[in-house]
Amino acid sequence: KAGVTQTPRYLIKTRGQQVTLSCSPISGHRSVSWYQQTPGQGLQFLFEYFSETQRNKGNFPGRFSGRQFSNSRSEMNVSTLELGDSALYLCASSLISGGREAFFGQGTRLTVV
Amino acid sequence: AQSVTQLDSQVPVFEEAPVELRCNYSSSVSVYLFWYVQYPNQGLQLLLKYLSGSTLVKGINGFEAEFNKSQTSFHLRKPSVHISDTAEYFCAVSTHQNSGGSNYKLTFGKGTLLTVNP
Repeated sequence: KAGVTQTPRYLIKTRGQQVTLSCSPISGHRSVSWYQQTPGQGLQFLFEYFSETQRNKGNFPGRFSGRQFSNSRSEMNVSTLELGDSALYLCASSLISGGREAFFGQGTRLTVV
Repeated sequence: AQSVTQLDSQVPVFEEAPVELRCNYSSSVSVYLFWYVQYPNQGLQLLLKYLSGSTLVKGINGFEAEFNKSQTSFHLRKPSVHISDTAEYFCAVSTHQNSGGSNYKLTFGKGTLLTVNP
């Protein structure tokens, strides 16, 4: 069974640009969540989607957005990039019942210069 | 709202020694608890989970953890560590209230860097 796949693995962008990250969940998992990991703030929840609807959102500015497609694949977008957006962005997928055990992808390392 | 506190940011140990990584949580409702491990430049891998039932849970790579509801703790233990256990370990919590519908999220501690020395 294939795991969670995130693309690309690495990205370098310039301040002011926008970026789109992609996540393909484990087959059968309908929930996709996104997390930002930085040395200073640790792991912080961005948002969660299932059935193509955002179900929960963390405390991030509106420059951070996402969407989910009918096949459960998800994308997140960051517009008007700032230096502080440099981070490892992790996607996790889970079933929507029981303990909601989350399976993580390897992440996308975004560097803003 | 829930929160997680990992009491040690770094834990150095010698190979074959026992180790305990401490985790305390705060929540007004029942919780699910998880320990994840992260190797450099990798995502998070689930070590073990507590959903219900026996408070002692066993995970992969010889790790185990004990859920203590009265002390709101979920400490991770391994009786004998290897060099390959060097990694960062994260304790996380989600709540029963949100697991089946909206408002689901994992709340993580700040992580504990376990360094195993020869």
